[in-house]
Amino acid sequence: DSGVTQTPKHLITATGQRVTLRCSPRSGDLSVYWYQQSLDQGLQFLIQYYNGEERAKGNILERFSAQQFPDLHSELNLSSLELGDSALYFCASSTQSHGTSGGNGYEQYFGPGTRLTVT
Amino acid sequence: DAKTTQPNSMESNEEEPVHLPCNHSTISGTDYIHWYRQLPSQGPEYVIHGLTSNVNNRMASLAIAEDRKSSTLILHRATLRDAAVYYCILRDVVVLIQGAQKLVFGQGTRLTINP
Repeated sequence: DSGVTQTPKHLITATGQRVTLRCSPRSGDLSVYWYQQSLDQGLQFLIQYYNGEERAKGNILERFSAQQFPDLHSELNLSSLELGDSALYFCASSTQSHGTSGGNGYEQYFGPGTRLTVT
Repeated sequence: DAKTTQPNSMESNEEEPVHLPCNHSTISGTDYIHWYRQLPSQGPEYVIHGLTSNVNNRMASLAIAEDRKSSTLILHRATLRDAAVYYCILRDVVVLIQGAQKLVFGQGTRLTINP
């Protein structure tokens, strides 16, 4: 158990709909990351938040948005869903944000994922 | 990010050592070598990381070549639970310190353990 929780575990919805995925990071972790895993694209970074602020963006579609709340949980909103959005969505958290020398403290801890099926 | 090359798949037997190779010929001096693995139906999990010296932890050992152009993740006694996809990832500590800390996953090595 990584300490990162994600809800729901499974989600089935129709094209054109909007869904919200939720992530609670490990206690004390300030950074949250979202990744998408599909069969054809593998694991891809979507977006990173640190203490409520967006820190980095990856291959995130404009139809997708995320936020991190004051209690540090994060939500990923996916709208106007398409069949191709069907994938596993993982959330990860880490302690460090910046300023730490060396390579320690940047390990990411992943949640169990949300499997999204768009029909 | 500098790229890594790993075999697509490897197979080993239970209770035998497993050596998972990773080539990273364009590694820079500030790149740390990280390994993650993804067990079936689970999220990735951190395994180990290192810079120049060999590293050991409770999960595995990491052997880094002297020129740092390659590394090997060593599972000393594989169990069925070690069957997973193993990812070798380079992370630039300069970029990490600046706060951009995404993980860039390649295809990884799918490890099969035979009973």
